[in-house]
Amino acid sequence: GAVVSQHPSRVICKSGTSVKIECRSLDFQATTMFWYRQFPKQSLMLMATSNEGSKATYEQGVEKDKFLINHASLTLSTLTVTSAHPEDSSFYICSAPMGVSNEKLFFGSGTQLSVL
Amino acid sequence: RKEVEQDPGPFNVPEGATVAFNCTYSNSASQSFFWYRQDCRKEPKLLMSVYSSGNEDGRFTAQLNRASQYISLLIRDSKLSDSATYLCVVIAGNFNKFYFGSGTKLNVKP
Repeated sequence: GAVVSQHPSRVICKSGTSVKIECRSLDFQATTMFWYRQFPKQSLMLMATSNEGSKATYEQGVEKDKFLINHASLTLSTLTVTSAHPEDSSFYICSAPMGVSNEKLFFGSGTQLSVL
Repeated sequence: RKEVEQDPGPFNVPEGATVAFNCTYSNSASQSFFWYRQDCRKEPKLLMSVYSSGNEDGRFTAQLNRASQYISLLIRDSKLSDSATYLCVVIAGNFNKFYFGSGTKLNVKP
C-alpha cells in the first residue's frame, strides 16, 4: 500500500486563487519531504526541500513567496501555490525519503493543477 | 549544468530486444544512484538501486562508473510492459537531495 498520501489528485482553479496540496507520510515519520514539479514531457524538477520544524530550502529559481511550504509535523507537509496563474499549471508531486540512510524515496500520487 | 543528464529518446525497440540507457551526473561527490520507472502521469517507482560493483535483477542490469560519472541500465528480452520512461536518480548535496534526470522514453513494440 501507499506509504505517502497526497491530495488532492486534481485541482482546477481560477487565476489568482491559492491552492493547497497536502502530503502525508503513513506509518513513518518524515523529517524531510521533497516537492517536485513536472511539466508535460519533462522530468521532475526539484522545487524545494521541506524540513520539519524549520524553513524549507528552495532550489534556485523557485519563488518561496509563490510556493509556500509548511512542514508543521513529522507526517505532514503542505505546498500552497499562491495567486496561481496558468503558467503554474503542472503536475506537482511530493516524496519522502526513508531507510537507514534515507536512501529510499517514496512518492505521493501527484496533483495535477490546472489554472484557468 | 544539470545535475543529471539523460538522452530523452524515445527508444523504439521490438519485443525481445536488448536496450541500454546511459545517464551522466555532474557532482563527483554523489552518494547513491537509482533507476526509477515512470508511467504517464503517475508517480515514479523505484526500479533498482545502482551499486559500484554493478547489480542485476532479472532482465535488468545496472552499472556505475564513478571515474566517468555515469550509470547505465540494460534491459534484456524487452516486454511490451517495459514501455515507460526511465529516470536516472542521483542523491547529492548536503541535504541528501534526490536529483532526477529528464528521463528516457522506451517504447517496446510487438
